[in-house]
Amino acid sequence: EAGVTQFPSHSVIEKGQTVTLRCDPISGHDNLYWYRRVMGKEIKFLLHFVKESKQDESGMPNNRFLAERTGGTYSTLKVQPAELEDSGVYFCASSQPGQGHYEQYFGPGTRLTVT
Amino acid sequence: AQSVSQHNHHVILSEAASLELGCNYSYGGTVNLFWYVQYPGQHLQLLLKYFSGDPLVKGIKGFEAEFIKSKFSFNLRKPSVQWSDTAEYFCAVNSYGNKLVFGAGTILRVKS
Repeated sequence: EAGVTQFPSHSVIEKGQTVTLRCDPISGHDNLYWYRRVMGKEIKFLLHFVKESKQDESGMPNNRFLAERTGGTYSTLKVQPAELEDSGVYFCASSQPGQGHYEQYFGPGTRLTVT
Repeated sequence: AQSVSQHNHHVILSEAASLELGCNYSYGGTVNLFWYVQYPGQHLQLLLKYFSGDPLVKGIKGFEAEFIKSKFSFNLRKPSVQWSDTAEYFCAVNSYGNKLVFGAGTILRVKS
């Protein structure tokens, strides 16, 4: 079974540009989460999808961040326009109710560098 | 709001030394507790988890953790570390199906 995949693995953009990160969860997982780790800080929650619906987006920093999960499969996280403080590693995780008590499986992350 | 505190940011041990990483959380309700590990160049993976029952849980690679409810603690232990345990370790907490709240992480370096 394939794990959670994320694309790209690394992105370097200039301030003011737009970047779109993609996450493919484990097949059949309804729950999809986005997290971010800014260098030197803890991993912080951004938002949670259940299928295609946003269950909790309390961690989204501001309206420059837009997450979608059309059709309840893969998800994208767009940052527009990017700022320097958006640099960090963006993790995606997925889980399925009833399996492993909601254990979350993580992808490898996307390292975003805004210059 | 939930929060997680990990006591040490950097730990350096020699091989065969014993390991204990502290983790305390604050949350008023029922929680699930996790330890995740990130080896160099790899993604986060689950070491062990506690949901209910026996407060001493065993995970992969000889790790264990003890949930002490009265102390709001979930410390990670390993009796004898190996060089391959060099990694960053994260304690995390959630309630069912919801977001994970992570501690700041502990970087463990094991000297061979």
